[in-house]
Amino acid sequence: NAGVTQTPKFRVLKTGQSMTLLCAQDMNHEYMYWYRQDPGMGLRLIHYSVGEGTTAKGEVPDGYNVSRLKKQNFLLGLESAAPSQTSVYFCASRSGTGPSEAFFGQGTRLTVV
Amino acid sequence: AQKVTQAQTEISVVEKEDVTLDCVYETRDTTYYLFWYKQPPSGELVFLIRRNSFDEQNEISGRYSWNFQKSTSSFNFTITASQVVDSAVYFCALRGTQGGSEKLVFGKGTKLTVNP
Repeated sequence: NAGVTQTPKFRVLKTGQSMTLLCAQDMNHEYMYWYRQDPGMGLRLIHYSVGEGTTAKGEVPDGYNVSRLKKQNFLLGLESAAPSQTSVYFCASRSGTGPSEAFFGQGTRLTVV
Repeated sequence: AQKVTQAQTEISVVEKEDVTLDCVYETRDTTYYLFWYKQPPSGELVFLIRRNSFDEQNEISGRYSWNFQKSTSSFNFTITASQVVDSAVYFCALRGTQGGSEKLVFGKGTKLTVNP
């Protein structure tokens, strides 16, 4: 039972480089989320998706893009990385029915130098 | 808009002490869901409990208990006889059911350190 898997686990980028973080879930969940975690800031929602082919902005969407071409995958892209995007990124998914809790991936630690 | 406030940034206790983590929320929804998650030093986020707004029964699970009070918009978490393994960051979260109900909003977390 893989649950929610994030790839990669660690990454170092130079300012201006681009990259894509992959989130894959095998629970057939409708909802998927990307959060970033910074010291003292808790978890802040970047983008989310309520189903295949849909995306929506969260609390801190600037500098990020997302895509959900397949139900099981939710991609987070950084087109031109900035040091302010140094953070730990978490992906989560949940079922669309009822008061379901979210299941989280193990996180991706991204450093932009 | 949904908002979760965890006023305690850090708490330090000695093993076997009881400790309560506070969570205050704001929402205009009449139906909503509250959650607690634990983030141990290893970094993963572990789901602890879910509570529906229409169910104000308190819940106990071993050394953990949760007190939900709609009148004060609070959903507090108590650890009885704390242990070193309880050291972690604890997050309270809220999800509504009306406009913006897709969003799961987190507080900033409370870092609990249990010293031997």
